[in-house]
Amino acid sequence: DGGITQSPKYLFRKEGQNVTLSCEQNLNHDAMYWYRQDPGQGLRLIYYSQIVNDFQKGDIAEGYSVSREKKESFPLTVTSAQKNPTAFYLCASSRTGTSGRADYEQYFGPGTRLTVT
Amino acid sequence: AQSVAQPEDQVNVAEGNPLTVKCTYSVSGNPYLFWYVQYPNRGLQFLLKYITGDNLVKGSYGFEAEFNKSQTSFHLKKPSALVSDSALYFCAVRDGQAAGNKLTFGGGTRVLVKP
Repeated sequence: DGGITQSPKYLFRKEGQNVTLSCEQNLNHDAMYWYRQDPGQGLRLIYYSQIVNDFQKGDIAEGYSVSREKKESFPLTVTSAQKNPTAFYLCASSRTGTSGRADYEQYFGPGTRLTVT
Repeated sequence: AQSVAQPEDQVNVAEGNPLTVKCTYSVSGNPYLFWYVQYPNRGLQFLLKYITGDNLVKGSYGFEAEFNKSQTSFHLKKPSALVSDSALYFCAVRDGQAAGNKLTFGGGTRVLVKP
């Protein structure tokens, strides 16, 4: 799982509550990503950030929010507006090339399993 | 737009036999292709990638993959499977001409290697 930490490993929340998932990396990577994994659906991109103080919506951003105040940190908030938040959430990071190269592989954290009841 | 398909939900193979996990892709520009492996309740681990050059790419743990442009495929292979190779495998693609490093993942293929 490299130098990416996600906490906690398991998280339980009541419906209607916001919850923030932590992601920290010590790889000195500029880019960070949040994915959601559901059984049989692979990984879907929620948000990504190429640089500090900037981020873009992925394919399923509704009901989620992020911030990127530090290079090392990219927390994800699952809001009460997310209709089906129970899932396995994965954070990743990667290098970005100075000349726009984007062929670097992404490194993943161990994931957080969120259960909302 | 970019997409990737893994046509098999599960692949069963006997230990010592060759293992192949299939992947096909679609991109507008040049494809950047990746394979990852996931063990239960863990994050994804990078296995190998194709960016340019030799169509046969060698990666971690004895895995290799062959890029076939005419068939738009990037199948993962291992000559002799181990029980410890049992895991979930993901193929991913991004368009080399698109901005950013946004990957699109396939749905995953579960590999079961039996002793």
